[in-house]
Amino acid sequence: AQKITQTQPGMFVQEKEAVTLDCTYDTSDPSYGLFWYKQPSSGEMIFLIYQGSYDQQNATEGRYSLNFQKARKSANLVISASQLGDSAMYFCAMREGYNAGNMLTFGGGTRLMVKP
Amino acid sequence: DTGVSQDPRHKITKRGQNVTFRCDPISEHNRLYWYRQTLGQGPEFLTYFQNEAQLEKSRLLSDRFSAERPKGSFSTLEIQRTEQGDSAMYLCASSSLAGGTGELFFGEGSRLTVL
Repeated sequence: AQKITQTQPGMFVQEKEAVTLDCTYDTSDPSYGLFWYKQPSSGEMIFLIYQGSYDQQNATEGRYSLNFQKARKSANLVISASQLGDSAMYFCAMREGYNAGNMLTFGGGTRLMVKP
Repeated sequence: DTGVSQDPRHKITKRGQNVTFRCDPISEHNRLYWYRQTLGQGPEFLTYFQNEAQLEKSRLLSDRFSAERPKGSFSTLEIQRTEQGDSAMYLCASSSLAGGTGELFFGEGSRLTVL
C-alpha cells in the first residue's frame, strides 16, 4: 500500500481564493510527522508546514494551514488567499517513528495553478 | 550561502559512463539524504547518513550506485555504467537531530541525462 497518497494530479484556483490539497497517509506507527513541501518550476524543495501525530491543534504557518484528521489519516494543506507565486508542485510527506532524523516518504504531488 | 549545495547542477552523459555527484550539507547538520526524482513524480528515497555512517539504503539503490560521506561532512553519489533509466534529478537534503521538526533542507538538485 502507498504510504502517502495525493489524489489530485492538478488543481486550478482563482487568485485570492482558498484551495485545499488532499493528502492521506498509511502507517501503523503511533509516532509520525507529516510535512508539506512546495516545488516551484525552478526545482528547489521548500518546506511549508509540519504536523506531529501527537499535536492537538492543527498547524498553521502564515497562509498555510494543515487540516489534520487523525482518525481518517488525512493531512490536507489549505492555502488561503492564493497568489500567482503559489503556482507550483506540492508534496505531502511522512516521517515514521519517534526519531526526528528518520527519512521522509513523499507522495506523488499535486500541481497547483493559480489563475489571475 | 549556508544552504545545501550540489554539484554539478546538470550532467549529460552517454550510456555506460560513470558519473559522480557531490553534496555539501548545512554545516551543523549531521544527517544527509539522497533522493531521486523523475519528471512529474515525488522524490524517492535512496539512502541516508548519520555523520559518516550509512544507516539505510533503499532497494532502489542497485549495486551500480554507491554513496559515501567519508568525514561526516560532504557526500558523493556515484553511478557506474549509467543506463537511460538513471536519467532523473538527484536531490540531496540534510537535517539536524538537535530537536525541532526534523524537516529536510534540500539542495537544488543535480539533473542527470543519460543518452
